[in-house]
Amino acid sequence: EVQLVESGGGLVQPGRSLRLSCTASGFTFGDYAMSWFRQAPGKGLEWVGFIRSKAYGGTTEYAASVKGRFTISRDDSKSIAYLQMNSLKTEDTAVYYCIGERDGVDYWGQGTLVTVSS
Amino acid sequence: EIVLTQSPATLSLSPGERATLSCRASQSVSSYLAWYQQKPGQAPRLLIYDASNRATGIPARFSGSGSGTDFTLTISSLEPEDFAVYYCQQRSNWPPEITFGQGTRLEIK
Repeated sequence: EVQLVESGGGLVQPGRSLRLSCTASGFTFGDYAMSWFRQAPGKGLEWVGFIRSKAYGGTTEYAASVKGRFTISRDDSKSIAYLQMNSLKTEDTAVYYCIGERDGVDYWGQGTLVTVSS
Repeated sequence: EIVLTQSPATLSLSPGERATLSCRASQSVSSYLAWYQQKPGQAPRLLIYDASNRATGIPARFSGSGSGTDFTLTISSLEPEDFAVYYCQQRSNWPPEITFGQGTRLEIK
């Protein structure tokens, strides 16, 4: 059974940092690009960024709204993807989803809530 | 940034009826257009990728069409479980970005 489990969310003050983890099982993690999307309360979906598989260079891309503040990485030996979030703003408050994607197939986690508030 | 505009914002239909949802891109996205369904409290689910390909396990009543800037998601005969919010999504290679439409809420009439 395919599973993606996000962890690390919670309440954080503006300007602080938080690291989310996405632990995968049930598929060949290293063959998949790993993306992060988010959804603010009651709002639509927003792309955060992704990391390509090693076969495609393992490079990253980010949305303009988080570029320079967020970093995505992966540990294929542990089947974990990370989202390091620095200099958090109140507008970063959202449910964060990790997604494994390859050739028209995608697997989603259930999301983890990040609340940025003083 | 490529902007996706979905219409209508809300669609009220009855089970058994046909639903037609539209997504228009501010510039051509070729066929790199996907459709997602999201129910309250759940993660989105991929329905259609590359404009017209059904994802694994998606019923045949869901179909996608279009290319360039105009796309359509059609649900041929609505089932009770189809009432949800639907998002279109585009992926561009340069600059590398992914954007979503604002969503269409499909509600029971």
